[in-house]
Amino acid sequence: DQQVKQNSPSLSVQEGRISILNCDYTNSMFDYFLWYKKYPAEGPTFLISISSIKDKNEDGRFTVFLNKSAKHLSLHIVPSQPGDSAVYFCAASADSGNTPLVFGKGTRLSVIA
Amino acid sequence: DTGVSQDPRHKITKRGQNVTFRCDPISEHNRLYWYRQTLGQGPEFLTYFQNEAQLEKSRLLSDRFSAERPKGSFSTLEIQRTEQGDSAMYLCASSVSDSGVWGETQYFGPGTRLLVL
Repeated sequence: DQQVKQNSPSLSVQEGRISILNCDYTNSMFDYFLWYKKYPAEGPTFLISISSIKDKNEDGRFTVFLNKSAKHLSLHIVPSQPGDSAVYFCAASADSGNTPLVFGKGTRLSVIA
Repeated sequence: DTGVSQDPRHKITKRGQNVTFRCDPISEHNRLYWYRQTLGQGPEFLTYFQNEAQLEKSRLLSDRFSAERPKGSFSTLEIQRTEQGDSAMYLCASSVSDSGVWGETQYFGPGTRLLVL
């Protein structure tokens, strides 16, 4: 049973436009959410996180939105750049992040120049 | 470089052999996690330590797997009698526990890719 779901396996976006990656979760105990970016043959790189006490967190070109009632979060990348092309993983944990992460299957983002 | 490091980066072994991987966490990070990632999947939790204590093990961690963190610094993950199904990327992550309301962020190493022939 997938507790964290990324329903879009892939996404293509033109350079300069907005990329929106979506993530849904089922476990209402999750209260800390993270996005990681992964290149082939490398470990995941932390991008941005959000605590359940907030509904938005912004860091440069990256913004994460959390809708607790819908159990949905999204990552916005504006403007998208070719170097953003990678697999993006959504992850969640409970107890303010003091539990192991549960990951989605990832979305492969391709930013086309 | 003060990131998480893992050794080796790649390992090819024959079925039935034992393998051991090492992870060095970020200095002063008291938590250390092991995950496994197979093709088309996200990382899946295996086990984690707070200092030298192993706090939780996933059901994925069969009795052929053992992990240690003897002095609360580096950790080793050993797989005995490897099987072809063990082929995967093994990822290590570290964090500081009790980060408060803002949450605990785990930082990952580059991984060890294991291929069992």
